[in-house]
Amino acid sequence: QKEVEQNSGPLSVPEGAIASLNCTYSDRGSQSFFWYRQYSGKSPELIMFIYSNGDKEDGRFTAQLNKASQYVSLLIRDSQPSDSATYLCAVNQRGTALIFGKGTTLSVSS
Amino acid sequence: SAVISQKPSRDICQRGTSLTIQCQVDSQVTMMFWYRQQPGQSLTLIATANQGSEATYESGFVIDKFPISRPNLTFSTLTVSNMSPEDSSIYLCSVVWGSNQPQHFGDGTRLSIL
Repeated sequence: QKEVEQNSGPLSVPEGAIASLNCTYSDRGSQSFFWYRQYSGKSPELIMFIYSNGDKEDGRFTAQLNKASQYVSLLIRDSQPSDSATYLCAVNQRGTALIFGKGTTLSVSS
Repeated sequence: SAVISQKPSRDICQRGTSLTIQCQVDSQVTMMFWYRQQPGQSLTLIATANQGSEATYESGFVIDKFPISRPNLTFSTLTVSNMSPEDSSIYLCSVVWGSNQPQHFGDGTRLSIL
């Protein structure tokens, strides 16, 4: 059974710190990796995706992928209270539906 | 940017009734999916909506309970049939605009069954 694992949290960081969110997956055939942010009562919003090993940066966000270790992470630099949300890791093989982790709740205190 | 419209945004229904949720996209998409998010849980895939043919259902979901239509490349419906309180969830459609592209979600339908 294909699984995506995340620590549920909550992960608490002070404003301005780096938040590190981690995710492991079981299917070695996974090809695409996504991070979604979900505010309470809202639908998931795509914030990062990565297909190749290494790092991908977009503003304050960096996604890191290590396929050998079946591990993907999301770093949020200079964390802001507005970053407080649940972060969902999702993986798939191209053209297929996403498999989601249970999400990590991030709380950024001012 | 492209728009994914989902209707209704929320509803309160009586047990035993059925509700049809619509997902309309303002441009053609390659793939459409329906997910369920139960309270406090992550997203679970219900089915892949196939254009012009029967949907592909995941284990634990059946067509009689969750009939899905996708008559064209911009529209799909999900019906939740013979509802019970256990069906109280958020139902989300997601779309993919091209090969090797991420999925994007509609705003969801928050469904409560009394």
